[in-house]
Amino acid sequence: DAKTTQPNSMESNEEEPVHLPCNHSTISGTDYIHWYRQLPSQGPEYVIHGLTSNVNNRMASLAIAEDRKSSTLILHRATLRDAAVYYCILSMDSSYKLIFGSGTRLLVRP
Amino acid sequence: DSGVTQTPKHLITATGQRVTLRCSPRSGDLSVYWYQQSLDQGLQFLIQYYNGEERAKGNILERFSAQQFPDLHSELNLSSLELGDSALYFCASSTGQGRFYEQYFGPGTRLTVT
Repeated sequence: DAKTTQPNSMESNEEEPVHLPCNHSTISGTDYIHWYRQLPSQGPEYVIHGLTSNVNNRMASLAIAEDRKSSTLILHRATLRDAAVYYCILSMDSSYKLIFGSGTRLLVRP
Repeated sequence: DSGVTQTPKHLITATGQRVTLRCSPRSGDLSVYWYQQSLDQGLQFLIQYYNGEERAKGNILERFSAQQFPDLHSELNLSSLELGDSALYFCASSTGQGRFYEQYFGPGTRLTVT
């Protein structure tokens, strides 16, 4: 299974942008890049996903490097509610499952 | 609220017992996935069903089994429970199956085996 590498933790100030990096150097051409987050005491929550082009939705933006070996999840204005563990996952052609790594724990300071 | 419901929210039982966890997917979703989250193993995929048929298996023990019913709800059966089975069990659903569908997770069932 293709793996992703994320920092263990990051900190941000409330109302500032946050850039969460993810490396996936073994990605193949048809793997989708998914981001999920897990707030304390809740189930994982879908954030965004993409294949090659940058993607935007109401929650976040996903910037994908041209060679697709890395991506960045962008929260435009962090709120206290965004404090969570963020998981970068490769969704592979031959598999329907999500393989969660250890993720990045985001702390948001008021 | 993801639209995925799981019951019960909490379950406390003894070693050697058998329990059933229930999941109702979002309206219209055909795929159901089960995941286990424990402190030492993190989130692990167990099994996936699509429209009543098993489609993918992960690290699911032989003591565990699941099924998806014609109304698309799913049940995860855990038998001969051991202390190490204590964990959060999440169900997720998606419209279809495949790498480009997002999954929506339920609130989980916390299982405690004593």
